[in-house]
Amino acid sequence: DAKTTQPNSMESNEEEPVHLPCNHSTISGTDYIHWYRQLPSQGPEYVIHGLTSNVNNRMASLAIAEDRKSSTLILHRATLRDAAVYYCILGVWAGGTSYGKLTFGQGTILTVHP
Amino acid sequence: EAQVTQNPRYLITVTGKKLTVTCSQNMNHEYMSWYRQDPGLGLRQIYYSMNVEVTDKGDVPEGYKVSRKEKRNFPLILESPSPNQTSLYFCASSLGPQGTYEQYFGPGTRLTVT
Repeated sequence: DAKTTQPNSMESNEEEPVHLPCNHSTISGTDYIHWYRQLPSQGPEYVIHGLTSNVNNRMASLAIAEDRKSSTLILHRATLRDAAVYYCILGVWAGGTSYGKLTFGQGTILTVHP
Repeated sequence: EAQVTQNPRYLITVTGKKLTVTCSQNMNHEYMSWYRQDPGLGLRQIYYSMNVEVTDKGDVPEGYKVSRKEKRNFPLILESPSPNQTSLYFCASSLGPQGTYEQYFGPGTRLTVT
């Protein structure tokens, strides 16, 4: 399975932007880049995903390198509620009737200081 | 509100006593799956289903059974639980293949087998 590499932990201050990096040098042309986060005592929560182009939604932005070997999740203004484990995951789908696969790693623990 | 629900949220049981963890989604999703989360091992997929009566094994299916008789429900069955099945379990659903579509996760079921 294609793997991702993330820092174990990062810290930020409230109301400042946060850039969470992810390396995925073995990504294949059809793999999607997904980001999920998990708040304490909760299930994982979808944040954003993309294939080649940068993506924006109400929660975050996803910047994908031109060679797709790395990506960055951008939280524009961190809040205390954004403190969580952030997972960068490659979504694999073989096409047709296959189920597809998401392989979760250890993620990045984001601490947000007031 | 779109959601995935799981019951029970907490369960303590003894070795060998059959149990079922229920999962239900109200989004008319065809794809559903079960994960377990253990410290240091991340989330690992147990079973998945692409539609009613269509299920298949994930990465760690041993000791578990599933059924998909209705689109909205995907129960996880432990016929003879053992202590190594003590874990945090999550159900998830999606509109399409998990490699390419957003996954919605339930709140989790914390199972302890003594």
